[in-house]
Amino acid sequence: EVQLVQSGAEVRKPGESLKISCKGFGYSFTTYWIGWVRQMPGKGLEWMGIIDPGDSDTRYSPSFQGQVTISADKSISTAYLQWNSLQASDTAMYYCARSAYGSGPFDSWGQGTLVTVSS
Amino acid sequence: EIVMTQSPATLSVSPGERATLSCRASQSVSSNLAWYQQKPGQAPRLLIRGASTRATGVPARFSGSGSGTEFTLTISSLQSEDFAVYYCQQYNIWPGTFGQGTKVEIK
Repeated sequence: EVQLVQSGAEVRKPGESLKISCKGFGYSFTTYWIGWVRQMPGKGLEWMGIIDPGDSDTRYSPSFQGQVTISADKSISTAYLQWNSLQASDTAMYYCARSAYGSGPFDSWGQGTLVTVSS
Repeated sequence: EIVMTQSPATLSVSPGERATLSCRASQSVSSNLAWYQQKPGQAPRLLIRGASTRATGVPARFSGSGSGTEFTLTISSLQSEDFAVYYCQQYNIWPGTFGQGTKVEIK
């Protein structure tokens, strides 16, 4: 069974750094891209960026370019999303999802990681 | 980037009735259009890919149509488990933008 398992909920203060993870099970990790999607409280889905774990080719939405970093370690079938300096506006649920093509569709999703940024 | 616009924002439907959701792209996305269902507290679930192909395990009451800039998701006879928020997403060009969602609620 294909599964994407994300790391647990996080609480951070503004200005702090954070790295959340997404581990793939039940399929060949390097044959699918992994994307990250943000969902702010009570809002819709936003495509943040996507990475090919095979060669780390990464694409970002202009809205998120320079704000986050997406990476992957294919040796442990894990993708990451990180921030160097969190802001309160980063408070959201973050989902990872896999895609057979670079831009979607996403056919399997992680359970989500809730990130709360508050002083 | 391509802007996806869904209508209506909220659709009130009685169980057993038909629901028709619309999605419009700001430029052609060919048939590179997906529909997702999201229930409260859950991750989204892929329903339709390629504008009209149901994903594995999706009931036949869900159907998608359209190409270019105009797309439709139809739920032929709403069941209780279908009340949720539905999103369209284009994946023709990076970034793969989503619509703002249509909430299907019980009338």
